[in-house]
Amino acid sequence: EAGVAQSPRYKIIEKRQSVAFWCNPISGHATLYWYQQILGQGPKLLIQFQNNGVVDDSQLPKDRFSAERLKGVDSTLKIQPAKLEDSAVYLCASISGGSETQYFGPGTRLLVL
Amino acid sequence: GNSVTQMEGPVTLSEEAFLTINCTYTATGYPSLFWYVQYPGEGLQLLLKATKADDKGSNKGFEATYRKETTSFHLEKGSVQVSDSAVYFCALSGLDSSASKIIFGSGTRLSIRP
Repeated sequence: EAGVAQSPRYKIIEKRQSVAFWCNPISGHATLYWYQQILGQGPKLLIQFQNNGVVDDSQLPKDRFSAERLKGVDSTLKIQPAKLEDSAVYLCASISGGSETQYFGPGTRLLVL
Repeated sequence: GNSVTQMEGPVTLSEEAFLTINCTYTATGYPSLFWYVQYPGEGLQLLLKATKADDKGSNKGFEATYRKETTSFHLEKGSVQVSDSAVYFCALSGLDSSASKIIFGSGTRLSIRP
């Protein structure tokens, strides 16, 4: 079974630029999560999708972050414009129905200069 | 609010030493508890879990017991190997309506010397 795929693996941008991350969850997993992991901290949930609907986006900074999962499969997370404090690893995870076990992708490491 | 507190790192041990990484939690209900591991350059992987009080999760020689009376879920291994070098995250879930939202601790970096 293929795991959660993310791209790119690394991205360096300057502040005020835009950036987008892509995630393809495990086939058949209806629930998808985006997390932000700042260096030295645990992952923090940004947004949770159930199929193509948003379940929880209470921690998403909506003035600059957006995410979509239009067809209920892969998802894109965008930051526009980026700030220095957005430097982090962005993790995508998915889960099958009825399970508590989330499967994580390798993450995208973002550096904002 | 709900939270997880774990032992600060880094923790450095010699091969075959005994490992304990402490984890305590604060929760309004009865969460499921997890340990995730992040090997260098890889994504987070579930190491073990326990879903109710007194349950013991185990995997790859690691164990943790869900202690409701002390709100703890300490990770232990009797004899660590160099390949166990990684960052370990304690986490909880099951407290919200979707039952799958995870709250992570800040992580403990473990380094094992040959």
